[in-house]
Amino acid sequence: DAGVIQSPRHEVTEMGQEVTLRCKPISGHDYLFWYRQTMMRGLELLIYFNNNVPIDDSGMPEDRFSAKMPNASFSTLKIQPSEPRDSAVYFCASSLGVQPQHFGDGTRLSIL
Amino acid sequence: ILNVEQSPQSLHVQEGDSTNFTCSFPSSNFYALHWYRWETAKSPEALFVMTLNGDEKKKGRISATLNTKEGYSYLYIKGSQPEDSATYLCAFSAASGSARQLTFGSGTQLTVLP
Repeated sequence: DAGVIQSPRHEVTEMGQEVTLRCKPISGHDYLFWYRQTMMRGLELLIYFNNNVPIDDSGMPEDRFSAKMPNASFSTLKIQPSEPRDSAVYFCASSLGVQPQHFGDGTRLSIL
Repeated sequence: ILNVEQSPQSLHVQEGDSTNFTCSFPSSNFYALHWYRWETAKSPEALFVMTLNGDEKKKGRISATLNTKEGYSYLYIKGSQPEDSATYLCAFSAASGSARQLTFGSGTQLTVLP
C-alpha cells in the first residue's frame, strides 16, 4: 500500500520566494494534518483537515502560511514570502477517524 | 496549552538491557494517548493507541501501560537491541475539541549500544 506521499523531499530556496509543499494522503483517510518539526519546538501541529475542510489552523504561525485541500487526495502548504526562520522539516500525516496517524517522509526546507 | 512531558530526554543502554521511559499528560479531559517510534531520517511510526485507564498494550518486546487518573504512561522495551535505537514520542488527545488533534511530547531519544 502506498503511504502518505510528500514532495519535494528537500527544498532549498532564497528568502522571499514562495514555497509550496505537497501531500497525497492515504486513500480513504478522512483526516489530513500538517506538522512542522524544529529543534527548539519539536513536532508542532500547524493545521488539519477533515473531509477536505480546514478544522483548526490555530497552529499556523502567521499569515505567510496557508494550506489548502482541494480534494481528498491532495493538499498543499504554501509559505509566501519565505523567511530563514521557516527552515524546518514539514510533515504531512493522514488518518481514518481516530486511528493512528500515518506520516509521510517529510520535506526538509531550507530558506537561505 | 496542553503540557505533555517525556522523560528522560535521552537514554543510552547496552544491548540486552531492559529499559523504560515516561510520558506525563493532563489527567483531565483525556481521550487517547499515542506512542510513536521515530527513527533518524524516517517518519514517525505508530506503536500504540491507548484509551482506557489500566490499558496495557504489547508489540513484540515493546509494551506500554496507561494511567489516566494520574496522567502518565510508561513505555517498556525488554532486551533492547541496536535496532530499537530511535526517538520515542508520546502524543495526547483531549476529549474536548477534536480528539483527532494530537499534542506531542518532545520525545525520549534511545540509543542501544552493541
